[in-house]
Amino acid sequence: GQQLNQSPQSMFIQEGEDVSMNCTSSSIFNTWLWYKQDPGEGPVLLIALYKAGELTSNGRLTAQFGITRKDSFLNISASIPSDVGIYFCAGRPLGKLQFGAGTQVVVTP
Amino acid sequence: EPEVTQTPSHQVTQMGQEVILRCVPISNHLYFYWYRQILGQKVEFLVSFYNNEISEKSEIFDDQFSVERPDGSNFTLKIRSTKLEDSAMYFCASSHGPPAYEQYFGPGTRLTVT
Repeated sequence: GQQLNQSPQSMFIQEGEDVSMNCTSSSIFNTWLWYKQDPGEGPVLLIALYKAGELTSNGRLTAQFGITRKDSFLNISASIPSDVGIYFCAGRPLGKLQFGAGTQVVVTP
Repeated sequence: EPEVTQTPSHQVTQMGQEVILRCVPISNHLYFYWYRQILGQKVEFLVSFYNNEISEKSEIFDDQFSVERPDGSNFTLKIRSTKLEDSAMYFCASSHGPPAYEQYFGPGTRLTVT
């Protein structure tokens, strides 16, 4: 079956630092979505990517759809305390949306 | 800003009982989904629904599960005879276009089966 790997599993960073996480798949994806989930809440859509090579920003967030269509990364610049949470990539090869296992981000002052 | 809503926020039920989880998708969206997240694990797809029928379902979505759009606004997930392993957060999502489009999630219903 298709494999979707997200790394790192967790990150402990200081406020102001940049954060980078990525997802790779074993097959070609047509869509990459990045979500943030706070404890006890639903995933909130951050960025959607639809084309290979596409680079999209949303405030301090930047995400790219890899040229091979098998990977995507998310960067958070100048982290702040409210960036704390779990970040999920989600991708769609054909059919259902698949989620990565998440990257837990902890920001310390 | 329109959002997906879900009720109840928390449901406790005994094993073997039927539960119905309710969702109100974003009003101009045409595609609806249910996902499950067991505590500490990733979000898992259950089912997608379009034009009053299931368009795709996962292996998790067995005969114990069913979905319905009983009226123009609600979208429900029914579990006929709950098992302990059904305990999880259940998220409803909707999108304006096919599943490749952005999917917006509700806040979830925490289901606890005792």
